[in-house]
Amino acid sequence: KNEVEQSPQNLTAQEGEFITINCSYSVGISALHWLQQHPGGGIVSLFMLSSGKKKHGRLIATINIQEKHSSLHITASHPRDSAVYICAVSSYNTDKLIFGTGTRLQVFP
Amino acid sequence: KAGVTQTPRYLIKTRGQQVTLSCSPISGHRSVSWYQQTPGQGLQFLFEYFSETQRNKGNFPGRFSGRQFSNSRSEMNVSTLELGDSALYLCASSSTGTTTYNEQFFGPGTRLTVL
Repeated sequence: KNEVEQSPQNLTAQEGEFITINCSYSVGISALHWLQQHPGGGIVSLFMLSSGKKKHGRLIATINIQEKHSSLHITASHPRDSAVYICAVSSYNTDKLIFGTGTRLQVFP
Repeated sequence: KAGVTQTPRYLIKTRGQQVTLSCSPISGHRSVSWYQQTPGQGLQFLFEYFSETQRNKGNFPGRFSGRQFSNSRSEMNVSTLELGDSALYLCASSSTGTTTYNEQFFGPGTRLTVL
């Protein structure tokens, strides 16, 4: 079993829909990162959080430390949101990033 | 500020050769981490350098090595290339050496193909 699990693996949405991507982890963490990877490979850090909730524009990230679960929400999705979204955790013991396998999102007009 | 740069962007090598990849972090960043991304294994941590010292290492064979220079630029080297080393190699920089409280800024990656 992977230490970081994401669901769903693939997601298709119509423009304007509300989207949720989930991340569960089984290791002790000091922080959780949400990353976005566009075709071509470049990765952008969206959020880094260790508790509660963060919001940036149409993106919202939440984390529940007790349940070892985080969600990334996209409100009013747009075709430019099409990308792979990757959850990564900073291992408390090793300070290394452990990555989920990613969620491929496609938003159609 | 200029972002993280990686050179070369694309590379084709044959089995048994060695390769050196370069990463220039954001100005002022002292930490550089390297990651390997493959379709089968996803993103995996290779190693991290902070102030010219390897601070952390992933589970990769000794054929994978790296170093960091006094200007924080980093190189990674893979010797005796194998087909399975074909991957996108990403580096990321941060202002300090911990992933806990510091955002990682990623470079565009070097796509290595081993034939």
